Amino acid sequence: SQTIHQWPATLVQPVGSPLSLECTVEGTSNPNLYWYRQAAGRGLQLLFYSVGIGQISSEVPQNLSASRPQDRQFILSSKKLLLSDSGFYLCAWTLQGVGEAFFGQGTRLTVV
Amino acid sequence: QQQVKQSPQSLIVQKGGISIINCAYENTAFDYFPWYQQFPGKGPALLIAIRPDVSEKKEGRFTISFNKSAKQFSLHIMDSQPGDSATYFCAASMQNSWGKLQFGAGTQVVVTP
Repeated sequence: SQTIHQWPATLVQPVGSPLSLECTVEGTSNPNLYWYRQAAGRGLQLLFYSVGIGQISSEVPQNLSASRPQDRQFILSSKKLLLSDSGFYLCAWTLQGVGEAFFGQGTRLTVV
Repeated sequence: QQQVKQSPQSLIVQKGGISIINCAYENTAFDYFPWYQQFPGKGPALLIAIRPDVSEKKEGRFTISFNKSAKQFSLHIMDSQPGDSATYFCAASMQNSWGKLQFGAGTQVVVTP
């Protein structure tokens, strides 16, 4: 069966520090991968998605970037965090374009 | 702008009652309408989903009703249980891009014993 892993679960980082969040998927090949952010009490907003290694599409302009160095690995990064980057970050995957989206357990990021 | 509007923001229902959450969308290109359930501190989990070619889908105590002409869909939770207390999100996405979801703002459901 397929599983998705995200780490760390929680993170507190000072303003201006770098960020690296990692997501890996097991049990499938060539998934579509997604990064979502959830602000407190809000719905999820799609940040990035990838249909293959090295292919990244950005949905909203922001202080973050994403990379996909391996088929089942998706990384969310920032060179310098802002207070507004705080939120709950969720990685998700689908079986290519058509299929239900399955979410990881998320990373709670607090920028102080 | 928010492409999927969800109401109510919160809902309190007694055990055994019916919870009803409504969503509306504008983009007629949306082709897939899932509902997700999220517990505090956890990622959302797919509950049930519907395509626009059917007007209703039922899975256990959960039913989606879909009105294509009105561009509305709703989730009904029958015989609500305290374990159903969670935040529920409706979402929508387009053909061949089911993972690129537009989410509603969420409804916090509390089921009282």
